[in-house]
Amino acid sequence: DTEVTQTPKHLVMGMTNKKSLKCEQHMGHRAMYWYKQKAKKPPELMFVYSYEKLSINESVPSRFSPECPNSSLLNLHLHALQPEDSALYLCASSHLAGGSYEQYFGPGTRLTVT
Amino acid sequence: AQKVTQAQTEISVVEKEDVTLDCVYETRDTTYYLFWYKQPPSGELVFLIRRNSFDEQNEISGRYSWNFQKSTSSFNFTITASQVVDSAVYFCALSDSVDSNYQLIWGAGTKLIIKP
Repeated sequence: DTEVTQTPKHLVMGMTNKKSLKCEQHMGHRAMYWYKQKAKKPPELMFVYSYEKLSINESVPSRFSPECPNSSLLNLHLHALQPEDSALYLCASSHLAGGSYEQYFGPGTRLTVT
Repeated sequence: AQKVTQAQTEISVVEKEDVTLDCVYETRDTTYYLFWYKQPPSGELVFLIRRNSFDEQNEISGRYSWNFQKSTSSFNFTITASQVVDSAVYFCALSDSVDSNYQLIWGAGTKLIIKP
């Protein structure tokens, strides 16, 4: 079962709101990722978790705060976002972290910041 | 530096035509991995194939086939007898062993439109 789930599918939030994006996988993968994708662009890597520890933070602003409660779950906490943060946020997982492993993506959360 | 070029921004064909999506990559490493992903309008990125640099065999999966040529640094993707459901943005991506950040280097994507 190669499935990564994400909730919510759509999210509209004001600049002063606090919200969270959730991601779950049950493939036994030990690496999980957050990507941001703007329209008509490829995904941009934000964070990588390997064995539930943050291993990569691609200079993401602190208003984005990731959390990995266990090997199956990945959260992205959002606070004081800007309108330019509006995008599709994709979660992915792979067997292990490392460029040789294919990543499986969730359906994404379409975020609009007003 | 690594780079992936998908020169075709958009391709439009009529259903049942064959179509080839081009991907040219740059890397100085001898060990690297190439990927193709499909992104339909729904937004989910779907993994299609992974190829490592030591395996130049072409691959066929149903109507999909991939041609990997190290001599020209290309990893092209052909859809035979295209169908409307093939309409999507297709991304080619590269990862090599010198990249310790586990980051995929993505091409800009090719939007494929299959007209009925």
